[in-house]
Order: sequence, then structure tokens, then C-alpha cells
Amino acid sequence: DAGVIQSPRHEVTEMGQEVTLRCKPISGHDYLFWYRQTMMRGLELLIYFNNNVPIDDSGMPEDRFSAKMPNASFSTLKIQPSEPRDSAVYFCASSFEGVQETQYFGPGTRLLVL
Amino acid sequence: QKEVEQDPGPLSVPEGAIVSLNCTYSNSAFQYFMWYRQYSRKGPELLMYTYSSGNKEDGRFTAQVDKSSKYISLFIRDSQPSDSATYLCAMSAGDYKLSFGAGTTVTVRA
Repeated sequence: DAGVIQSPRHEVTEMGQEVTLRCKPISGHDYLFWYRQTMMRGLELLIYFNNNVPIDDSGMPEDRFSAKMPNASFSTLKIQPSEPRDSAVYFCASSFEGVQETQYFGPGTRLLVL
Repeated sequence: QKEVEQDPGPLSVPEGAIVSLNCTYSNSAFQYFMWYRQYSRKGPELLMYTYSSGNKEDGRFTAQVDKSSKYISLFIRDSQPSDSATYLCAMSAGDYKLSFGAGTTVTVRA
């Protein structure tokens, strides 16, 4: 299996621009998670989906952040408008139903907002 | 106060030494306890997990959970340079939401 795939791997943008991060979970996984990692705050859960339905978005920092999962093999995390404090590494992870402790992480997207 | 506390280190040990890592937590609802390893510029990968209290051993790695003290540990025996990474503890109350520690950066010197 190819594992969790994320794109782009690196993104540099200017403040105010829209940023879209993409994720393809492992085939057959029921859960998809979006995390953000910074030096100051560590690894934080932003939102997670079960069978393409958002279950908990309490970690989404502001209305500028939105996430969708139109089908079982694709999810997006969008930031509009972006701000310098959004600079971080964004990870997508997926897991099977009932095996929550085994979350498989993607390689991450390094976002720099200037 | 954070839900999960972990000393970020860094920790530097000679090859062959025992590495001892630990985390404390405040949420008594946590039932699942995990250790993830993260190499530089990579995503975290699950190393070990334990459900409720007790010990679990896997090769050179031993995970311990003491729910009465809200304290978990990871021991790495006969450490190797390839063990150099950041180790993150993670916990869950069974709701699929993982709370991570800050991570401890470990360097094993050859």
C-alpha cells in the first residue's frame, strides 16, 4: 500500500491567499484526521471524519479553516485567507474502524505564509 | 495546564544505553496510550500502544502505564543511532481524538 498521500509537500504563499491542502487516505480506512504541528503548540487535532462525515471540528482554529471529504479517497483542508500564524506542518492520518490507536500519518505539508 | 505533559528534552545518550521517556496526564478518561516515533521531516509512526494499565514489551521497547499515577513510560534498551528521533506520547479516551505530548527529541551517539 502507498500509505497516506498528501500534496503539496511544501507550500509557500503570501498572507491573504487561499491555501488548499490535499489528502488521500489508505484504501479501506474509515477515519480521516487532519492535524497541525508547530513548535509552540505541538501536534493538534483539527478535525476528523468517519465515512466521509465530519465528526468533530472543535480543533479548527477559526472560520478561515474548512475541511471537506467528498469521497472515501480524498479530503481537503482549506485556509482562506491565510495568515503568517498559520505556518506549520499539516498532517493527514487515517485509521480503521475500531482500531483508533493505529493512526497512519502522511508525510505532511509544510506551509509557510509570508 | 496542558492535558498531556512531556519533557521536550533534548536527550542525548551513548549507543547501547537505556533510553527512558515519560509523560504525565490529567484526564482520567484516557484509556488508550500510545507512543509514536517521528523522524526529522517525516510523519509520526506508531511504535507501541497499551490499553488501560500495565506493561507491554516489543523487542527492545517496553511501554508502561500507571493509571493511578497518570504516568506512562517508554524504555528503549540497547539504543542504536537509528533510534534517534522525536518520541511523542499520545492518549485517547476512546473517542478517536488523540492528545499528544510535546515530544522528546532523542539522539543516540555512536
